[in-house]
Amino acid sequence: NAGVMQNPRHLVRRRGQEARLRCSPMKGHSHVYWYRQLPEEGLKFMVYLQKENIIDESGMPKERFSAEFPKEGPSILRIQQVVRGDSAAYFCASSPAKLGYEQYFGPGTRLTVT
Amino acid sequence: DQQVKQNSPSLSVQEGRISILNCDYTNSMFDYFLWYKKYPAEGPTFLISISSIKDKNEDGRFTVFLNKSAKHLSLHIVPSQPGDSAVYFCAASAPRGNTGKLIFGQGTTLQVKP
Repeated sequence: NAGVMQNPRHLVRRRGQEARLRCSPMKGHSHVYWYRQLPEEGLKFMVYLQKENIIDESGMPKERFSAEFPKEGPSILRIQQVVRGDSAAYFCASSPAKLGYEQYFGPGTRLTVT
Repeated sequence: DQQVKQNSPSLSVQEGRISILNCDYTNSMFDYFLWYKKYPAEGPTFLISISSIKDKNEDGRFTVFLNKSAKHLSLHIVPSQPGDSAVYFCAASAPRGNTGKLIFGQGTTLQVKP
């Protein structure tokens, strides 16, 4: 009964490179959320997806960031042309339904931009 | 604007005593609240939740109290154990009609001394 899986756990990128973060939700969960935690801060919502659909991307920066959750395979958070300010911990959470249910988090991907 | 606030960055208690972590919110439309515990380099772990139609929910050593008129909730841990030392986040599920995204407080670091 695997939990939410994220990989890689640590990712180092130079400024200008692309970062791809992967998330596999818990079995039976069809709702995926991405959050970002900057140093010394709480988690901030980025995007909510269901299979093949972006439902709410109100927390996503308008440029360079994109997310997908294809019919087959994990959800991907993609950051193009990374900058130092993108350095953070990125957490994925999954839920069996969107309201009134707990979200279960993965271990996170720690992105460092050098 | 910080809709969910945890005004105490840290709390230190003696093993066996009660830990009380506090959280305030500003949006009266929030209808579901959750507490998460987070160890360094790990993802948040769900602890306990409460619906806005209740004022108390208990699970073992953990009890959450909700005071809607004061827009305040608290997490009580009794008795506290050294393994409870972690960062605790409260979160609110954004109002009806949205997508279930969670809004987090900044976190409170709890240290339980043996």
